[in-house]
Amino acid sequence: DGGITQSPKYLFRKEGQNVTLSCEQNLNHDAMYWYRQDPGQGLRLIYYSQIVNDFQKGDIAEGYSVSREKKESFPLTVTSAQKNPTAFYLCASSMPPAGLSGANVLTFGAGSRLTVL
Amino acid sequence: GQNIDQPTEMTATEGAIVQINCTYQTSGFNGLFWYQQHAGEAPTFLSYNVLDGLEEKGRFSSFLSRSKGYSYLLLKELQMKDSASYLCAVIINQAGTALIFGKGTTLSVSS
Repeated sequence: DGGITQSPKYLFRKEGQNVTLSCEQNLNHDAMYWYRQDPGQGLRLIYYSQIVNDFQKGDIAEGYSVSREKKESFPLTVTSAQKNPTAFYLCASSMPPAGLSGANVLTFGAGSRLTVL
Repeated sequence: GQNIDQPTEMTATEGAIVQINCTYQTSGFNGLFWYQQHAGEAPTFLSYNVLDGLEEKGRFSSFLSRSKGYSYLLLKELQMKDSASYLCAVIINQAGTALIFGKGTTLSVSS
């Protein structure tokens, strides 16, 4: 089955540690995204990548880093510089829309819940 | 700034009809999505509107009025499994890479 796999599902981190969240997709999608979801908040975009070896900052990129060395993979590192890293992290992917009125539908992974102790 | 408003919570009973509203004020508009998200799970795609009017898909329909900056998701014949959060999201750039999400509406369906 095609889809997006995020790991780990749950992760605990001590303050001052960097952690890396994995995101792998076998949908052959060009674009990949990382979102953060906090209680009572909408999804907020951290980083996105439209092609291999290229990525762009989203609205809340500070304290995070990404890489896109392969089409299938878009790992997110939460660094010690991120002040409030406890959150639910969602990875997504999409194909470019077919035509101007096409929908750039995101397919989401199941998420990774990070808790800082 | 970008602003998308949805009610925080709604309740309904099985078999009923519920309408979840979404209003938006954004710097651009290239379409509006509705996603469903069960607690602790991935959001899943429900509908997409880019032109004014109603899109129907089984028990779910979505409406868009671009002039009013308004959309709604209509759920008919509610079932317990429809208890979830419903996310409204607006695409603000033509490449489709910039989506602004509302905070979501948590719908509770009771028997």
